[in-house]
Amino acid sequence: GDSVTQMEGPVTLSEEAFLTINCTYTATGYPSLFWYVQYPGEGLQLLLKATKADDKGSNKGFEATYRKETTSFHLEKGSVQVSDSAVYFCALSDGTDKLIFGTGTRLQVFP
Amino acid sequence: DAGITQSPRHKVTETGTPVTLRCHQTENHRYMYWYRQDPGHGLRLIHYSYGVKDTDKGEVSDGYSVSRSKTEDFLLTLESATSSQTSVYFCAISWAEGTDTQYFGPGTRLTVL
Repeated sequence: GDSVTQMEGPVTLSEEAFLTINCTYTATGYPSLFWYVQYPGEGLQLLLKATKADDKGSNKGFEATYRKETTSFHLEKGSVQVSDSAVYFCALSDGTDKLIFGTGTRLQVFP
Repeated sequence: DAGITQSPRHKVTETGTPVTLRCHQTENHRYMYWYRQDPGHGLRLIHYSYGVKDTDKGEVSDGYSVSRSKTEDFLLTLESATSSQTSVYFCAISWAEGTDTQYFGPGTRLTVL
């Protein structure tokens, strides 16, 4: 079945460092891809999404490009802030009623 | 703010007792979902609903039941709670299936002793 694999965390960075969180997927069709973020003590919020190959989703300085040839949707940010510390989830939807989530990657940013 | 509330926010209960969690939305979204979040597993779908009285099972539905008698409310019931059901439970809503964004509630932390 469809699945999402994320790099294990925690990812620990200093403020203003470059961030990459890897995400790859397995799907039989043409899924939509999402990044959700969970701040401490809160529910998940949509960060960005892409619905077809080569689409780039972006929000709050974060970007991810839908790469069909490598089945990847890596999350990047050029300069992280302490306030970006959170858990990041990659997810896919194959057009049915359900989202399939990765296990999450915790990001810790230190001043 | 997608207008989703969950109650209670925290609950401690004992093995074998029934527990009901409530998700309430003010957005008139058709689709509602219950997930559980556990370390190392991400979020896993328990049950979902695509309309009043229309529900279906997700990936980890054993030991859980749901009901949706009104558009705005989606109830998750643990008929006889077990320690393996200790988790954080999230409700989510969406306008339409598949590619549409899901909006999540704040979560309920359930501890079964």
